[in-house]
This record gives sequence, C-alpha cells and structure tokens, in this order.
Amino acid sequence: LAKTTQPISMDSYEGQEVNITCSHNNIATNDYITWYQQFPSQGPRFIIQGYKTKVTNEVASLFIPADRKSSTLSLPRVSLSDTAVYYCLVGDSVHYGGSQGNLIFGKGTKLSVKP
Amino acid sequence: SAVISQKPSRDICQRGTSLTIQCQVDSQVTMMFWYRQQPGQSLTLIATANQGSEATYESGFVIDKFPISRPNLTFSTLTVSNLSPEDSSIYLCSVATAYQETQYFGPGTRLLVL
Repeated sequence: LAKTTQPISMDSYEGQEVNITCSHNNIATNDYITWYQQFPSQGPRFIIQGYKTKVTNEVASLFIPADRKSSTLSLPRVSLSDTAVYYCLVGDSVHYGGSQGNLIFGKGTKLSVKP
Repeated sequence: SAVISQKPSRDICQRGTSLTIQCQVDSQVTMMFWYRQQPGQSLTLIATANQGSEATYESGFVIDKFPISRPNLTFSTLTVSNLSPEDSSIYLCSVATAYQETQYFGPGTRLLVL
C-alpha cells in the first residue's frame, strides 16, 4: 500500500484558495487517490477521488500529475467552516479491505482558516 | 450516500468491563469497517466486518479483545473487551457499497475508561 506524506498543518484566511499536497511516491498502477475531511467529534467525510489528471466537484478540485507520485487538493475560496483535518488516502480498492485496500489513513493536514 | 448511526454516542466505563458499540446503516452495504481514533491522532483500521463469517483483523488487533458481529448487510457490532484506560478512544464504523470506491463514516462512539 502506498504511503502518503502530507504537511501537518496549514493556515489560511477566508476567501483564499488553499492547496494541500500529498506525496505518494510508490503509488501502484491500480491505486486511486481519495481525500477526506474530518471535523472535531465527527467521522471523516468524503471530499473527492481521482485516478489521474484533474477531477472537480462542487466542493473541491483534485490535481494529479502524469507520474501520479503526488496529488493536490484545491479548496476554492475557503471559509471558517473549512477548518478541519484533511486526509489523503491511496489504495487499490476499498473492497479489498485492510492494507490492500484504500483504508490506511496517514496523519492528515490540519487546516486552520482565519477571518 | 449511506446514512450511518452508532450507539452509544459516548460512554464512560470502568476498567475490566466491556462495551458493545452498534453500527446501523439505512441501506444494504457490501463492506463494513471498524476504526479507532485516539485523541488527536489519525484513524487506525481495526477490522473488516464480514457478513456471515468471522471478521478480518488488522495487525495488532485480535478477536478476543475486539469481537465483531455482522449478522446482516445493514448492522454490525464491535465489542471492546476487558477495558483499560488505553482503550479510551473514538470508535468509528464505516461502510462501502458494491459500486463505489469511497467510504461513508458514522458519527463515532467516544469511550472513556476510568
């Protein structure tokens, strides 16, 4: 299973774009890249998932370069409510379970958004 | 997405006792998982709850300490046995459906062992 490395923390101000990069140098051919958001006292919430190039949904964009050894979660115009911990997961399939699947969380990035 | 509930939401237990946590999903799901999240830490996968068979445990977790049941496709329980203060943590269940590669998490159960 690919190991991920993220910055431990990031600070931003309301209205700014925030980019959080995750390194996964030993990503395998079949691995997906998935990002989750977790607020205090809540379970993680799915944000976005991708395999290559760019993926965009209503809350974020995910940029994946051609070599797939890193990925960048982009949050446009953050607000105070985006203060949370963001996790990058890399794995083959959640249906494989455990260490073979998409189920190993790294340490995450604590994003603090200030007014 | 699936709606997941957990009971209890929190509990305070004495050492040596056990706590059973329930996870209920509003639809049938393929996979169910149990995680532990210690204060200020990331999530650690405990096991995969398999319907109709024994759970699959991750390294460092054993059935005697964390027995798991999954009698059907919408329900699972995790028991934390012989509690010690080191078991104080948040326990979360998550689910995945057959056609999605994402997990959906319950709200968690906060356990404090005295």
